[in-house]
Amino acid sequence: AQKVTQAQTEISVVEKEDVTLDCVYETRDTTYYLFWYKQPPSGELVFLIRRNSFDEQNEISGRYSWNFQKSTSSFNFTITASQVVDSAVYFCALSGRDSNYQLIWGAGTKLIIKP
Amino acid sequence: GAVVSQHPSWVICKSGTSVKIECRSLDFQATTMFWYRQFPKQSLMLMATSNEGSKATYEQGVEKDKFLINHASLTLSTLTVTSAHPEDSSFYICSAQAPRHYEQYFGPGTRLTVT
Repeated sequence: AQKVTQAQTEISVVEKEDVTLDCVYETRDTTYYLFWYKQPPSGELVFLIRRNSFDEQNEISGRYSWNFQKSTSSFNFTITASQVVDSAVYFCALSGRDSNYQLIWGAGTKLIIKP
Repeated sequence: GAVVSQHPSWVICKSGTSVKIECRSLDFQATTMFWYRQFPKQSLMLMATSNEGSKATYEQGVEKDKFLINHASLTLSTLTVTSAHPEDSSFYICSAQAPRHYEQYFGPGTRLTVT
């Protein structure tokens, strides 16, 4: 069975601090996809990244970076120099043949950036 | 990029009435659409998967007579909450998936309040 665990329910940091959101997944698939979404208070999901299981290269996009490690089944998300606008709930999700490519969602991590 | 719209963005209705929510893929054809429900401070919960021209597949515990889903065309799926009750109040999100494409594109969500 597939499962996504986001152990951090809520994280609070002061602006400009770096913060890492953890995501651990379980799957029997050899080919799968991992996602991160941001959900601001408005509710609309914002797609951040999709990673194919064959691509273990880390990704950097501006202040955002992702560390994919198959050895530990983790796909962690780091925000560098956090800003108040980063405050949101962040979801990690997994998709693969085992779930008929439906998204398996983590519980989400609420990130609070204090000014 | 792929755009999915939802209408209405919010709705307030009286107990016992029915409410229809529309989900449209604006710039691509979606053979599959998904309907999610999200309670406050919780993750997304998949309600049903609908394929164009066929009956929706409901997740366990979701009442198909309560939540009517119609996917009449490749760009439109509707969710009708019948005989709504206060416990149906929630945030409903749809997503659309293009053929042979595993990524889901999300609508902005509909906030339903039943009084």
